[in-house]
Amino acid sequence: DTGVSQNPRHKITKRGQNVTFRCDPISEHNRLYWYRQTLGQGPEFLTYFQNEAQLEKSRLLSDRFSAERPKGSFSTLEIQRTEQGDSAMYLCASSIQGSNEKLFFGSGTQLSVL
Amino acid sequence: AQSVSQHNHHVILSEAASLELGCNYSYGGTVNLFWYVQYPGQHLQLLLKYFSGDPLVKGIKGFEAEFIKSKFSFNLRKPSVQWSDTAEYFCALKVGANNLFFGTGTRLTVIP
Repeated sequence: DTGVSQNPRHKITKRGQNVTFRCDPISEHNRLYWYRQTLGQGPEFLTYFQNEAQLEKSRLLSDRFSAERPKGSFSTLEIQRTEQGDSAMYLCASSIQGSNEKLFFGSGTQLSVL
Repeated sequence: AQSVSQHNHHVILSEAASLELGCNYSYGGTVNLFWYVQYPGQHLQLLLKYFSGDPLVKGIKGFEAEFIKSKFSFNLRKPSVQWSDTAEYFCALKVGANNLFFGTGTRLTVIP
């Protein structure tokens, strides 16, 4: 499968713990996005990378959230001191610059904070 | 501020019925609109998109959407639905340089 890959698929953690998710985009895609989706809502934009540069961050991305894409390939999203309100599906997507935003989404990481 | 409204939360149709899912938007910038679909157990995928030109856009699997600027709408249509169209459908608006603002989605259930 050469689509967008996200790991883990599910993560259960206790409040206050740190968690890290990984996204591997489609190999030739230079743009990578993180979205968050809660039940009954559409995906909400969190942040966007072009190559290794983080070019845009949503106000939803509090100081407890950090995303990296160190070599312009895979990306990680870390949440520190998790809260119950962080429980959601975290989606990664990738695209090619100039593709008029045809985003290819991964299957997501479902986070449950107890 | 931008908004995308999908007023139908859950639509139930019989096979062969016609489909129209509503999407209304509000945005002060250049309007680029999308419909994404999420089949059960699968990831989101693009159905169709409107950037400019012909306001009637055709997508995959027989879907089409019409951009009506005067009504701020981008409704999704299909003349005859199939059981395999059962899915959640999201309308989205491109905002800023590179992010999509999604509506809350419409769940479509097609009864065989």
